Amino acid sequence: GENVEQHPSTLSVQEGDSAVIKCTYSDSASNYFPWYKQELGKRPQLIIDIRSNVGEKKDQRIAVTLNKTAKHFSLHITETQPEDSAVYFCAASKSTSGTYKYIFGTGTRLKVLA
Amino acid sequence: DVKVTQSSRYLVKRTGEKVFLECVQDMDHENMFWYRQDPGLGLRLIYFSYDVKMKEKGDIPEGYSVSREKKERFSLILESASTNQTSMYLCASSSENQPQHFGDGTRLSIL
Repeated sequence: GENVEQHPSTLSVQEGDSAVIKCTYSDSASNYFPWYKQELGKRPQLIIDIRSNVGEKKDQRIAVTLNKTAKHFSLHITETQPEDSAVYFCAASKSTSGTYKYIFGTGTRLKVLA
Repeated sequence: DVKVTQSSRYLVKRTGEKVFLECVQDMDHENMFWYRQDPGLGLRLIYFSYDVKMKEKGDIPEGYSVSREKKERFSLILESASTNQTSMYLCASSSENQPQHFGDGTRLSIL
């Protein structure tokens, strides 16, 4: 079946360093890729997303890259800060009758060490 | 700002009970979703609905049912709760081809 693999499951970086989280999807028809951040005890919140007609998207310290040929996409966080510590989820989806049904990765717990 | 409200943050029920989890959104979204979140497994889709009275199975529908009688409300029902349904349940909503917005979650314990 369709699945999304996410690596690493945990990641520790020093404050100010960069963090990269990678996801690989199986369904070549997937065309929308959101990233969610979930802080402890809180709801997942969308931080950035990318559609299949774009190779890269950036929003301040956060960027996402997409390689459709290889079916993988990555989240890049530069100049990490302690408040970036959270669990990050990637998802791959395709539109079916106007609905994006997500397949989520298993999550990456990012710790930014001060 | 999108508001997705789940009726309870914490819930404790007994094996065999019928359990209702309620979710309400205030943005007139067509699509609503129920997920369960377990450590190491990420978020897994249980059911979703793209219109009133319409529902589709997700990846793990066994042991669950749903109801969507009004556009703003999507209910998840555990017909006969079992201990393996102890989990965090997350509701989400979205408009057509737009990102999903999540509620705060309900941590359900089945004893």
